[in-house]
Amino acid sequence: GQQLNQSPQSMFIQEGEDVSMNCTSSSIFNTWLWYKQEPGEGPVLLIALYKAGELTSNGRLTAQFGITRKDSFLNISASIPSDVGIYFCAGLYDKVIFGPGTSLSVIP
Amino acid sequence: DTGVSQDPRHKITKRGQNVTFRCDPISEHNRLYWYRQTLGQGPEFLTYFQNEAQLEKSRLLSDRFSAERPKGSFSTLEIQRTEQGDSAMYLCASSLDGGFFSDTQYFGPGTRLTVL
Repeated sequence: GQQLNQSPQSMFIQEGEDVSMNCTSSSIFNTWLWYKQEPGEGPVLLIALYKAGELTSNGRLTAQFGITRKDSFLNISASIPSDVGIYFCAGLYDKVIFGPGTSLSVIP
Repeated sequence: DTGVSQDPRHKITKRGQNVTFRCDPISEHNRLYWYRQTLGQGPEFLTYFQNEAQLEKSRLLSDRFSAERPKGSFSTLEIQRTEQGDSAMYLCASSLDGGFFSDTQYFGPGTRLTVL
């Protein structure tokens, strides 16, 4: 079945550093979504990508929909402590499939 | 607050008991989804509704699970004869049917179920 892989699995970075994470699949998706989840809460939508090659920004976050439609990446610039959380990618074809997440820790 | 809400936020129950969770979607959203999330994993799809019609159910949704959305607004998820393996976060999400390419889902805070 469809499956998403996210890398890295976890990251420990210094405040102020830039972050890059990606999501890959062997399947094609029509939409890529990036969510952030904090402990005890539901995922919060960060960025939605609807078109292959699309590059979208939301504040310090930038995400791209890969040309092959099988991957996406998320960059966070100038990280701050409140960026801590688990970042999930999700691909949509006939239903939404979530990756296993990238856990981000920011050291002040 | 006009986001997705879920009730209760936490539920502790004994094995064998029945539990019911409620989800209130964003008011204009016609699609409603239920997911299950275990520790260290992303959400796993359980089922979804388009208005009051339940259109798809995952194989994860055993016969002990039933979901309803009687008037196309709020939804309930019931688990009968709970087992310890049912312990998880149950997430609800809603979306506005904007067509095949734009099913952007917004999540509620989840209900954390612990089965003792």
